[in-house]
Amino acid sequence: GAGVSQSPRYKVAKRGQDVALRCDPISGHVSLFWYQQALGQGPEFLTYFQNEAQLDKSGLPSDRFFAERPEGSVSTLKIQRTQQEDSAVYLCASSQTPVQETQYFGPGTRLLVL
Amino acid sequence: AQSVAQPEDQVNVAEGNPLTVKCTYSVSGNPYLFWYVQYPNRGLQFLLKYITGDNLVKGSYGFEAEFNKSQTSFHLKKPSALVSDSALYFCAVRAGGSYIPTFGRGTSLIVHP
Repeated sequence: GAGVSQSPRYKVAKRGQDVALRCDPISGHVSLFWYQQALGQGPEFLTYFQNEAQLDKSGLPSDRFFAERPEGSVSTLKIQRTQQEDSAVYLCASSQTPVQETQYFGPGTRLLVL
Repeated sequence: AQSVAQPEDQVNVAEGNPLTVKCTYSVSGNPYLFWYVQYPNRGLQFLLKYITGDNLVKGSYGFEAEFNKSQTSFHLKKPSALVSDSALYFCAVRAGGSYIPTFGRGTSLIVHP
């Protein structure tokens, strides 16, 4: 079946521009995670949804970052007034249930802020 | 707090030889441990996990990992490396009561023909 998809795959933004990154999880998956992966680093947690509820947003680095999942399926990560330090790969992952241990990752969106 | 250490940035091994990629962790309570592999321009792919039970866990593509509670380690192993195993490998841990994993920095595995 279809895996997790993300769009766009690549995004170049000018500093100060707003961007929106989309994640389509595996159909029926309850849990959805966003991670930020800087060059040469492992993924770092940003936020977690269970259905449409955002249960944890402790990893969001600033109030410029906002995520939503209004219908409990597709999720959007929005970054306002992008800064150069926001340049990274943004990964989305989903899992079937809240307690299921295995997360399935999308290919990521590579964001470059100039 | 939970943390993961992957002490080697890079591991080099000849094709056909055994490989080990090291991981140690720190977590409160019982650990849930994972290995993922990442190929260039791809997302992370799940390899294997330890939740409970047998300390030796077998996963995809012939990989296995051994959970060692006393040494707080979860090293990834394969008896005979393939060139196609060359990729970036990530170890991750989460506490049993948490949904959020912590990933290591990754180890680049290079298998030489």
